[in-house]
Amino acid sequence: QVQLVESGGGVVQPGRSLRLSCVGSGFAFSDFAMHWVRQAPGKGLEWLGVTLFDGSNEFYADSVRGRFTISRDNSKNTLYLQMNSLRPEDTATYYCARVLSVAGSFDLWGQGSLVTVSS
Amino acid sequence: EIVLTQSPDFQSVTPKGKVTITCRASRDIGGSLHWYQQKPGQSPKLLIKYASQSISGVPSRFSGSGSGTDFTLTINSLEAEDAATYFCHQSSNLPLTFGGGTKVEIK
Repeated sequence: QVQLVESGGGVVQPGRSLRLSCVGSGFAFSDFAMHWVRQAPGKGLEWLGVTLFDGSNEFYADSVRGRFTISRDNSKNTLYLQMNSLRPEDTATYYCARVLSVAGSFDLWGQGSLVTVSS
Repeated sequence: EIVLTQSPDFQSVTPKGKVTITCRASRDIGGSLHWYQQKPGQSPKLLIKYASQSISGVPSRFSGSGSGTDFTLTINSLEAEDAATYFCHQSSNLPLTFGGGTKVEIK
């Protein structure tokens, strides 16, 4: 079954760190650029960043650059999002999504992982 | 950053009616505009890619048009299962951006 499954979400205090994982299955993981997108409760979608096919390069949104790091391990078909210095405004559902090229349409999304930043 | 402005924010339509959602880009993005459907508690689902290209498994009542800065998603003969929020998304330039969403309600 072709799918992306996120894990690692939860409740974390402001200033702390959290790492999300996204495991792909049923497709050639290394053929796809992998993105992270988040959605605050009741709000729209916000792109966070992308890692290229071989993990050789990443691009980030200004809102998370320097605090969040995207990486991937193609041997494990896994994408990561390391989130540091978390703020209450980072509270959101975090989705991983794949794109056949660096930037195109997201044809497959994970189910989402909820991160709540609160003391 | 390319800003995508969707309208309307909300639309209430009777079954078998027609829905038209527009997405305007702050500058020319060619045809690099995609549409998604998101139902409550679910992740987004790709409906239309590159402005007008259909997606396998998506009902034919969903169609897209436009280029440059003005794009339209049309839902013909609305069904109850189409109640959702619809988002446009541009992939022309980083950072990738999304429209604010249009919630479609079935009357």
